Amino acid sequence: ELKVEQNPLFLSMQEGKNYTIYCNYSTTSDRLYWYRQDPGKSLESLFVLLSNGAVKQEGRLMASLDTKARLSTLHITAAVHDLSATYFCAVDMGHQFYFGTGTSLTVIP
Amino acid sequence: DSGVTQTPKHLITATGQRVTLRCSPRSGDLSVYWYQQSLDQGLQFLIQYYNGEERAKGNILERFSAQQFPDLHSELNLSSLELGDSALYFCASSGGGGGQETQYFGPGTRLLVL
Repeated sequence: ELKVEQNPLFLSMQEGKNYTIYCNYSTTSDRLYWYRQDPGKSLESLFVLLSNGAVKQEGRLMASLDTKARLSTLHITAAVHDLSATYFCAVDMGHQFYFGTGTSLTVIP
Repeated sequence: DSGVTQTPKHLITATGQRVTLRCSPRSGDLSVYWYQQSLDQGLQFLIQYYNGEERAKGNILERFSAQQFPDLHSELNLSSLELGDSALYFCASSGGGGGQETQYFGPGTRLLVL
């Protein structure tokens, strides 16, 4: 079974700072997703990465995929309080989806 | 609002019982996915349907079953419920048959088994 590891599990950062969340997975896949979940809410799709070297950006978030390293990163630039949430990566293996444990991000004013 | 609806929002039932969760996908979306989220097991993919046919199966217990109807809504049936089945159940929908499109998640059904 594919394993998906995210780190860190918890991240507390000051507004204005940059940080990166890492998502490692154990088996080759070229499809990876990033989601955001606010407390008590559902999941919101952030990025869909479909090939090696894919990079997507939306606002202060940028996601990349390195299929050879089996690694995806979610980079946060100049964090703001509104980015506080839990972020999940998920890997698609033959239409089955394997989720990471999530990274709980708190942005401190 | 994602356009995906789920009913009911909350469900409280007893062990051994059977419940049905319902999901209506976004207009035009052919794929429906079911997920379970719990504190101890995290987010788990259960099953995917595409245009009425089962497309992929994940960690879905034999006590659970699902189907997608001709109008594309889907139901997840949970039977012989156990305490450990207490969780949030999400459905999501997307436009095509593969997993590459963006998935839009419903608000979830919170199931509590007592």
